[in-house]
Formats: sequence, structure tokens, C-alpha cells
Amino acid sequence: NAGVTQTPKFRVLKTGQSMTLLCAQDMNHEYMYWYRQDPGMGLRLIHYSVGEGTTAKGEVPDGYNVSRLKKQNFLLGLESAAPSQTSVYFCASSYGGDNQPQHFGDGTRLSIL
Amino acid sequence: DQQVKQNSPSLSVQEGRISILNCDYTNSMFDYFLWYKKYPAEGPTFLISISSIKDKNEDGRFTVFLNKSAKHLSLHIVPSQPGDSAVYFCAAKGWNSGGYQKVTFGIGTKLQVIP
Repeated sequence: NAGVTQTPKFRVLKTGQSMTLLCAQDMNHEYMYWYRQDPGMGLRLIHYSVGEGTTAKGEVPDGYNVSRLKKQNFLLGLESAAPSQTSVYFCASSYGGDNQPQHFGDGTRLSIL
Repeated sequence: DQQVKQNSPSLSVQEGRISILNCDYTNSMFDYFLWYKKYPAEGPTFLISISSIKDKNEDGRFTVFLNKSAKHLSLHIVPSQPGDSAVYFCAAKGWNSGGYQKVTFGIGTKLQVIP
């Protein structure tokens, strides 16, 4: 039982390049989330999904797109990477319903040069 | 505007003693609170939670206290062990206008338990 798996773990990009971060969960969770963590700031929600085929904006969605074509996968895309997107990205998932804790992946460390 | 504040960036405690991590919040609409623990190079893991209708929740060595009037919660770890050394995030949940239970995280407190 792997839980939440993020791919890749590390990546260095040049400004303007694009890439996709993959998140996969094997817990049959309805909800999935993408966060970024920056020094001196808490985890900030980028986008989230409450079910297959649905996505919604979080508090810092600009510059990112997401897709949830399959229930177990949640993809985060950067179409044109900028240095301000240098961060550690965490994916999480949870059951639907009230007060369900989130299960996190181990993060992707992304550097934009 | 930080709605969930962890004002102590770090805390050092002797093994066997009590660790107390504090968290303040500003949004009175938050109705559920959680603590997560994070080791380096790993994702946060859920530790303990408390509903706003309670003032205490206990799970083994971990107890969370909630003071709604002061908008303050705290995590007590007794006794502290070296393996508890990690970053602890406070988080608060509240419903947004879209019918989604939004989670707001604090910036974390790094706990070091000294053997």
C-alpha cells in the first residue's frame, strides 16, 4: 500500500519550460489537492479536486493547471515556468465528507532557473 | 493575512519533559483543527485533531487543547521522545462559499527533543 506517490522527487527547469507533476493515490480517496510550501509560509493550496473529472482553484492557482482524468491521479502542470514557482510541491488526498484528514506525498522539489 | 499563526518557529525540549506547541487563529468560522507532523524530505502526516465543540482530545502521548474564546489551541507531548523531533503544523478547517471544507495551515514549529 503506497499511499500517495509523487513523481518526480526533484526537478530543475529553465524559465519558460513546461512540465507536469504527477500524483497517484491508491486509497480510493475522492478528494485530491496540490499545495506548495515556501520558506516562512504555511502550505498553500494551488488547486484541488473533489472527484474524478472535477477541479477547482485554491488560493494560489495562477500559473498552474490541473487535471483529474482518473480518480487515482491528479496532475499539476506548469505551462511556462517562472522563478517564482521554485518551491516544494505536495500532493494530498482524503476521503470526502467532513473533517477527513489529508494524506500527503513526500513532495517534489522544483527549482526554476 | 495569516489566519493560522504559529509564533514560535522552533522549540527545544529535554527528553522525557513536556513539549507544548501553540497555535492561534483569527477566523471564528473555523470548526475543526488538526496537527500534522513532518520529518525532513517527507510529507506531513496527520497526528491528532479536535472539533470546535470539544476543548480537549487525547491520543496516547499527544493531547490537543482548544480555547475557543481565546482562539488558541495547543499540542502537548508527554513525555517527549527524540523521535518526536520534527516540524509540527497546525491546521484549521472552515467551509468556504463553494461548499468546500478549506484547510488553512500555519507555518510550522520545529521541535527538537534533546536526549
